[in-house]
Amino acid sequence: AQKITQTQPGMFVQEKEAVTLDCTYDTSDPSYGLFWYKQPSSGEMIFLIYQGSYDQQNATEGRYSLNFQKARKSANLVISASQLGDSAMYFCAMRDRPRGSGGYQKVTFGIGTKLQVIP
Amino acid sequence: DAGVIQSPRHEVTEMGQEVTLRCKPISGHDYLFWYRQTMMRGLELLIYFNNNVPIDDSGMPEDRFSAKMPNASFSTLKIQPSEPRDSAVYFCASSLRTGGGFTEAFFGQGTRLTVV
Repeated sequence: AQKITQTQPGMFVQEKEAVTLDCTYDTSDPSYGLFWYKQPSSGEMIFLIYQGSYDQQNATEGRYSLNFQKARKSANLVISASQLGDSAMYFCAMRDRPRGSGGYQKVTFGIGTKLQVIP
Repeated sequence: DAGVIQSPRHEVTEMGQEVTLRCKPISGHDYLFWYRQTMMRGLELLIYFNNNVPIDDSGMPEDRFSAKMPNASFSTLKIQPSEPRDSAVYFCASSLRTGGGFTEAFFGQGTRLTVV
């Protein structure tokens, strides 16, 4: 079963506009964390932002914010004031302790969303 | 710290040959993950270790794949024999358990494997 779902294979956004990348997740672990990573065409994985399941406030890091809706099991990434350099693949990831893992934490990724920023 | 170091960065090999990918995690990190990235399947978790012990290898596609972590500073992923469908980018990542969970996974630069 898919634990992390990213339903947008590709997105376009006009430069300077805001864009939301969707992510839903599924876990039975009450203590989990959600991450977003950026992968530019050069291939490296760049950590952007983290949200813990018990965090009261939505995480923000500069132009990145995470719209965390726990009841809906969604953790959407919002990028404000898009820049050309934001064009990349974006991955949502979750760390949790699957049943039967003995409490060890696993990190699984969604399939990604390709974002293209248009001048 | 130099970050997670993977070698080689690129590997081209012939079908049937043995391939060994190497990873040096960040010093002090207690989790190590191996991922495979393809266009069709995204980032798949192959296996992960905690304190050098394999915890879950259910993502390893076949018996041709094996991974070891003989000590806290070194891990290998071996494919024997390799096949063209193994062509992918293989990432190693490490993280550290903290009181409230753990740090994000820090990724190496990846190894681009091409099996011809």
